[in-house]
Amino acid sequence: TQLLEQSPQFLSIQEGENLTVYCNSSSVFSSLQWYRQEPGEGPVLLVTVVTGGEVKKLKRLTFQFGDARKDSSLHITAAQTGDTGLYLCAGGETGGFKTIFGAGTRLFVKA
Amino acid sequence: DTGVSQDPRHKITKRGQNVTFRCDPISEHNRLYWYRQTLGQGPEFLTYFQNEAQLEKSRLLSDRFSAERPKGSFSTLEIQRTEQGDSAMYLCASSPPIKTKQFNYGYTFGSGTRLTVV
Repeated sequence: TQLLEQSPQFLSIQEGENLTVYCNSSSVFSSLQWYRQEPGEGPVLLVTVVTGGEVKKLKRLTFQFGDARKDSSLHITAAQTGDTGLYLCAGGETGGFKTIFGAGTRLFVKA
Repeated sequence: DTGVSQDPRHKITKRGQNVTFRCDPISEHNRLYWYRQTLGQGPEFLTYFQNEAQLEKSRLLSDRFSAERPKGSFSTLEIQRTEQGDSAMYLCASSPPIKTKQFNYGYTFGSGTRLTVV
């Protein structure tokens, strides 16, 4: 069974700080996605990475896929209160089309 | 297109009752997924449709759960004889057709149906 572990589980920071959250697995994934979810809503897709070592930037967010396609990181520069939410990493199952989710990192950015 | 729609948004039911949820995916998307999410956890896969065919079911989907997608458009998820452990957010997602050797590029989720069994 492919599993994704996210760390930290919870992060509380001041506005303007930088942060990095991690997503790790012992399994290889064909692709990896990051989603953000707000309370009472469904997850919203932020990015998909498919190539080992790939780096993608989305404004202040930088996503990296590990060389071996087993892990990923999300770095946020100069966090804003609007970045508050649950960040989920998700992996495309090898040989299949379903997506497996980690438990998420809950981020709270204080003004 | 307004995205993936789920109805109802909230449902409170008594233990033992049956409930049915509906999902309307994005019209061009032939793949539809149901997930369940409990507090503090990520979404857990329940089942997957490609057009009207149900291609995969999780072991989490006991015989009290049934899902259909009769015409390859909207889908329903029914839970019979609900139990308190069924309380969760039920999420529906859809994705476009995937070409041969193309990766899963992610889903569009609905806002979910929050089920509370009392």
